[in-house]
Amino acid sequence: KNQVEQSPQSLIILEGKNCTLQCNYTVSPFSNLRWYKQDTGRGPVSLTIMTFSENTKSNGRYTATLDADTKQSSLHITASQLSDSASYICVVAVSGNTPLVFGKGTRLSVIA
Amino acid sequence: DGGITQSPKYLFRKEGQNVTLSCEQNLNHDAMYWYRQDPGQGLRLIYYSQIVNDFQKGDIAEGYSVSREKKESFPLTVTSAQKNPTAFYLCASSMGSGGRDTQYFGPGTRLTVL
Repeated sequence: KNQVEQSPQSLIILEGKNCTLQCNYTVSPFSNLRWYKQDTGRGPVSLTIMTFSENTKSNGRYTATLDADTKQSSLHITASQLSDSASYICVVAVSGNTPLVFGKGTRLSVIA
Repeated sequence: DGGITQSPKYLFRKEGQNVTLSCEQNLNHDAMYWYRQDPGQGLRLIYYSQIVNDFQKGDIAEGYSVSREKKESFPLTVTSAQKNPTAFYLCASSMGSGGRDTQYFGPGTRLTVL
């Protein structure tokens, strides 16, 4: 069964600190992996997308990594800001016209 | 939220009533989707449509119905057959329905059954 597992479930960090969120997946055949940011009460917004051949993708202070061999991805947030408080969702696409597989998300709270 | 609108933002319904959630996009996307989000759970696919006048059931279609009469519109009806309809509903669209096509989400509708 195609699954995406994220850890930790929730995380609290001080403003200015770095953090790393994890995503493990068992999806086959793999097409690509995305990280979405979802503010409370809003729709998710795409941060990065990585295909099989890409190891790293950056978007400002967000850097995603992908290890296709171990089927793991991480999202690193540098110099966190209060506005980074949100849920971060790992989403894996299966090759072909099949639905996306969503993780449950990591809830990040950045405090002053 | 990228040219996708959902209305209303909040919706209250009495048990036994049907209710329709609106989703409109001006991105000229062929594919549209409806997801349900519950606390502590990942997004679950209700229905999706790859082209006008065609749609397919997702993982949790029971108690829901959709139509796709126009490219830009994909309304979702929550029927009285849906046993636990209180949730946050998200509509999304993408250029195509393949895995490489980024899905753009609307702002969501929070439905509460009283």
